[in-house]
Amino acid sequence: DAGVIQSPRHEVTEMGQEVTLRCKPISGHDYLFWYRQTMMRGLELLIYFNNNVPIDDSGMPEDRFSAKMPNASFSTLKIQPSEPRDSAVYFCASSVQGSTIYFGEGSWLTVV
Amino acid sequence: AQRVTQPEKLLSVFKGAPVELKCNYSYSGSPELFWYVQYSRQRLQLLLRHISRESIKGFTADLNKGETSFHLKKPFAQEEDSAMYYCALKQAGTALIFGKGTTLSVSS
Repeated sequence: DAGVIQSPRHEVTEMGQEVTLRCKPISGHDYLFWYRQTMMRGLELLIYFNNNVPIDDSGMPEDRFSAKMPNASFSTLKIQPSEPRDSAVYFCASSVQGSTIYFGEGSWLTVV
Repeated sequence: AQRVTQPEKLLSVFKGAPVELKCNYSYSGSPELFWYVQYSRQRLQLLLRHISRESIKGFTADLNKGETSFHLKKPFAQEEDSAMYYCALKQAGTALIFGKGTTLSVSS
């Protein structure tokens, strides 16, 4: 398996624009997680899904952030409108119940 | 509330010196603890999980429930150990809660 695949790897966008980050989990994994990494706050859990259903979205910072998982092999994290303080690395991760959580390579977002 | 604390942002040691990366946690149930490593601009990789009680790349970590700690240790640091290390706790369900990370810098 190619592992967790994220796109885009790098994105630079202007404040106010919509940003969509994509994730393909490892085949057969039924849990999917979105994390945000910044220097100041480290790794924060934003939201996670089980069998495509959002379980805990309490880490989503505000209404500008939304995440969907329309099927077992795809998830998106959307920011609309984006702000400079959203600049961070966004990691997607997946796992099977009770097993190791595997991370993607991250999407490096810069909002100018 | 569940929390993972890594008190050091940066730890600098010389090659061959012992390393201890500190991790303390607060959790009301039976914790499952992990160490993840992130080499420069790469994905996070699992280094250790406490239930495995294994040694990976010379690193070990012992869960001390009395002190609520899960410190990561290595007797002799190597330059290739330079990376960011995250301690994480798995809460009920399956999400990982991470500490803020410690950057380990090993110089010759």
